[in-house]
Parts: sequence; C-alpha cells; structure tokens
Amino acid sequence: DTAVSQTPKYLVTQMGNDKSIKCEQNLGHDTMYWYKQDSKKFLKIMFSYNNKELIINETVPNRFSPKSPDKAHLNLHINSLELGDSAVYFCASSQDVLRTYGYTFGSGTRLTVV
Amino acid sequence: EDQVTQSPEALRLQEGESSSLNCSYTVSGLRGLFWYRQDPGKGPEFLFTLYSAGEEKEKERLKATLTKKESFLHITAPKPEDSATYLCAVQKETSGSRLTFGEGTQLTVNP
Repeated sequence: DTAVSQTPKYLVTQMGNDKSIKCEQNLGHDTMYWYKQDSKKFLKIMFSYNNKELIINETVPNRFSPKSPDKAHLNLHINSLELGDSAVYFCASSQDVLRTYGYTFGSGTRLTVV
Repeated sequence: EDQVTQSPEALRLQEGESSSLNCSYTVSGLRGLFWYRQDPGKGPEFLFTLYSAGEEKEKERLKATLTKKESFLHITAPKPEDSATYLCAVQKETSGSRLTFGEGTQLTVNP
C-alpha cells in the first residue's frame, strides 16, 4: 500500500494549458506539502496545508493553486502553463507541523511543458 | 539568509572505499537537520534527523553527525546499491514545518 501517492507520474502538455496533479496519503498525517524539484535536483517548498488549512504559501505565481478537500488529499492545479513550469513536483506529508521528522514523499510527477 | 550547501556535487567511489558527504548550513535557530536519499525517478526517502550538535545517528553503512555549522554523512565500505543522490535539509524553529534543502550530492559506487 503506497503511503503517499501522486497521479499522474508523467504529464506532457502544451504551453497555455491547465492541468492538475493529485495527491493522497494514507498515513493519517495532518500536514501535507507540495515541493518543486528543478533540473538541478533543488527541492523548494511551494505550499503546505495542515488539516485542510493553508499554512505555507511561498512566492509562487498565482497560476498555481492548491486545494485540500480533506486532510488526506492535496491537489495542485496549474493554469496557463509555461515552459518554466517544467519540473518534478513532489507531494509529501508529515505527522503534523511540529513532528516533521521523516517527511514521507510521493514518487513525483514529472511535468514537461512543450 | 538561510543557506544549505552540500559538497561535493558528485562523488565516485569504488566499492569498499569509505568517504564523507558534507552539508554546511547557516541558519539561525536550527530545529533539526535531515538527511534523505533519492533514487532516480523516485521521491526522497528519509534517513536521519539530528537535533543538536554532537548528535550521531547510524543506519547500516551510514552514519550522520552534526556540529553547529555542518553535518557529515559518513559512508563506510559502500556498496553499489548505495548509489543515489543524498539530500540534506534544515528546519528552523521559527519556520514551522518548512524544510530548506541543499542541492544534493550524487554518489556513484562502482563495483
């Protein structure tokens, strides 16, 4: 049973399109995250939700909008995709905002914008 | 500004050749330092958390240590299956659950 699962694993789309990435965790964790990993393997936080409430919102274009329908799910919607959005997007979860040891990551969604 | 710098960027070892990876950090109010392993096409996998200078943690051939300015990941007698990218991340006392990552060290262990 996968602890943090993301779909799709690969996403190839044209500039200007709108796309969504879905994430689900079955660990019973309260806190979920979206991280972006660029071509140099640098991981940077984008958003975090704790029990469906947005708690971290980094400097990210407004075209990116997270949504958490419940504490086990965190989705990422991206409008008007640009070439620079190409990256690997990771969903992660932690027990709560304090007990972050052992963040559990999903396997990533490789987004390619052409 | 908080910074996490890992060195070297890439490291090639022969099987059995021990070495260390470095993670230097400049963070005010460190709450914890984390080491992750990332295999190609997969998400980072948690290895260790260190909370205070002098602390050490071990797992199989890996040993992580922490000082007030840096952390080392020592790999003793590595095997080819240890080949991966090793990521270091820090958490500040004042930044909630946010982790700031370094750029990683890509380790290749040749048989």
